[in-house]
Parts: sequence; C-alpha cells; structure tokens
Amino acid sequence: EAQVTQNPRYLITVTGKKLTVTCSQNMNHEYMSWYRQDPGLGLRQIYYSMNVEVTDKGDVPEGYKVSRKEKRNFPLILESPSPNQTSLYFCASSLLAIGETQYFGPGTRLLVL
Amino acid sequence: AQTVTQSQPEMSVQEAETVTLSCTYDTSESDYYLFWYKQPPSRQMILVIRQEAYKQQNATENRFSVNFQKAAKSFSLKISDSQLGDAAMYFCAYRINFGNEKLTFGTGTRLTIIP
Repeated sequence: EAQVTQNPRYLITVTGKKLTVTCSQNMNHEYMSWYRQDPGLGLRQIYYSMNVEVTDKGDVPEGYKVSRKEKRNFPLILESPSPNQTSLYFCASSLLAIGETQYFGPGTRLLVL
Repeated sequence: AQTVTQSQPEMSVQEAETVTLSCTYDTSESDYYLFWYKQPPSRQMILVIRQEAYKQQNATENRFSVNFQKAAKSFSLKISDSQLGDAAMYFCAYRINFGNEKLTFGTGTRLTIIP
C-alpha cells in the first residue's frame, strides 16, 4: 500500500529537549515536504526536498532542521523545541514537483511544555 | 512574497446544492499553479483540483470546478451536488512554476454539509 508514515503520532516534550519526527514514504517519490498546521494560520511549509541531499527552506524554517540522506526518509529535527513549536505537523511526498498530487502522512501532534 | 487568502473560515450548504469557496492570491509571477486541497477529519490532504495559470480554461474534476480569474487573482472552487462526504476543510494553495518548489497555503475553509 502506497503511504507516508510519520512517527510518533503524538508527542509531549519539554522546552529544549531535542526531538526528531520521522517520515518515510514507500512510493519512490523524489519530492518531500514538512508542514505545520495551526488554527487560524492554516498550513505553512517548513522545509522541502527535491531529492537526496537537496533541501530548501519553506515559509517557516526557523527552529527546524531536516536531512535527506535516503530517498524514502525525510526526518524533521527540533534541536531545542520551544512552546511556539506546539503544532500539528504533516509530512508529504509527491512524485513530481511539490504541489502536485501530494500524499500526506497522518500527522504528528506535538506539545512543547 | 506570495500570499493566499481564504476569507470564509466556515461555509455550509444543503446536501445536493451547490457551494462556492473563495480564494484570492497575490503574486508578481505570471507562470504558476493553483490548487485546492481537501482535508477530511482523517487529516489526510487530498488534491481536489489543479489549475495552471497559463491555461485560460477552468479546470474541472467531476463535481468540482474552478473559476480562475487571473487578472483579479481569484481562484474559487465550486462544488456541485454537494454530498455528505464533501464535509471537510478546504485549502487553496499556490506554487510558482518549476524552479521554486515552495507551496503556500491559505488558512482554510471548513465546509459543513447539511442533510
């Protein structure tokens, strides 16, 4: 089954404690992206990747890091989480360019205390 | 910077009726893509319809169609014969053509279908 998986689905952490949200897709897609969704602000793109070792900033990259060492994986790293990073995070992938038919993961709800 | 505005936080429509969701955007580019995505309670994001800016013809996908007004920078979504399964958050999104893969979303419109 074609899918994008994210882990963990729910996470409660404290300010400053480094965390990683994993994302993996099994469709051999080149393009992957991370979004955060907040009430009243909609979806905002954090980072995207056009291929292995090729990443670029979206609209809200501050406080986040990503890496793309393998085609299927695109982890999101919060080196020092802060309460303003409490949000719902989505990973997505697409065969062609970002914005085409995108397959979204189920979401990761993060609470930073 | 590009911005996408959805001025209707919530909309409702009677089942089988037609509803139109509004979207406006701001850009200085001439070649770009516009999208409507549907996010049901399951949280998956489903591409509903896509419009290339260079195409004058409005895109359609079954019961979904758009009214693309390039000069006015308007991109509304019309849902005909509304069904209960259409209930969801709908997001309008923008991306310039190849070379920049950044995708900008609006804030969303929550659509309720009244049986």
